[in-house]
Amino acid sequence: QQQVKQSPQSLIVQKGGISIINCAYENTAFDYFPWYQQFPGKGPALLIAIRPDVSEKKEGRFTISFNKSAKQFSLHIMDSQPGDSATYFCAARESGGGADGLTFGKGTHLIIQP
Amino acid sequence: DAGVIQSPRHEVTEMGQEVTLRCKPISGHNSLFWYRQTMMRGLELLIYFNNNVPIDDSGMPEDRFSAKMPNASFSTLKIQPSEPRDSAVYFCASSRASGTIPGELFFGEGSRLTVL
Repeated sequence: QQQVKQSPQSLIVQKGGISIINCAYENTAFDYFPWYQQFPGKGPALLIAIRPDVSEKKEGRFTISFNKSAKQFSLHIMDSQPGDSATYFCAARESGGGADGLTFGKGTHLIIQP
Repeated sequence: DAGVIQSPRHEVTEMGQEVTLRCKPISGHNSLFWYRQTMMRGLELLIYFNNNVPIDDSGMPEDRFSAKMPNASFSTLKIQPSEPRDSAVYFCASSRASGTIPGELFFGEGSRLTVL
């Protein structure tokens, strides 16, 4: 059973445009929702994260929007640049688990065209 | 500071052979995770350790997989015997459980395994 569903699987955006990646979850025990960015040949790295007590978090060109009632969250990349081309993973952590293990979505392969 | 160090970066082996992947976590981190990445299944958590103790190995595919963490600075993931369907990129990650940012995992660069 896939606990975090991510879409789209791949995305092509023109330079300067807005990239939007969506995730949905079912487990209401999730209490922490990070996004990871992965470049080819590298491991994923934390990009930005949000807790469910806020509806939005912004860091530079990257924004997470969170809808607790709908159990959905999304990543918006404003003014997308070719250097943003990477695979993006949403993830979630269950509260009270005693560890930081994350459940990841399947990833979105983002290409920003010059 | 050195990040998570994994070896080998690439491994090509034949079906039935034993494979051992190695990981050195970031010094001071007390949680260690092994993930497997494939196109079909994405990133899957195989096992994690807290203070060198295995906490949850429910993600380990089957008895052919085993993991150890003999001390705070070293962990291994072993596959014996290996099968073609084990071909994937295996990531080790570490975190400081009491850190200020919960859930921030620091990943190594991965070990790409190909089983022929």
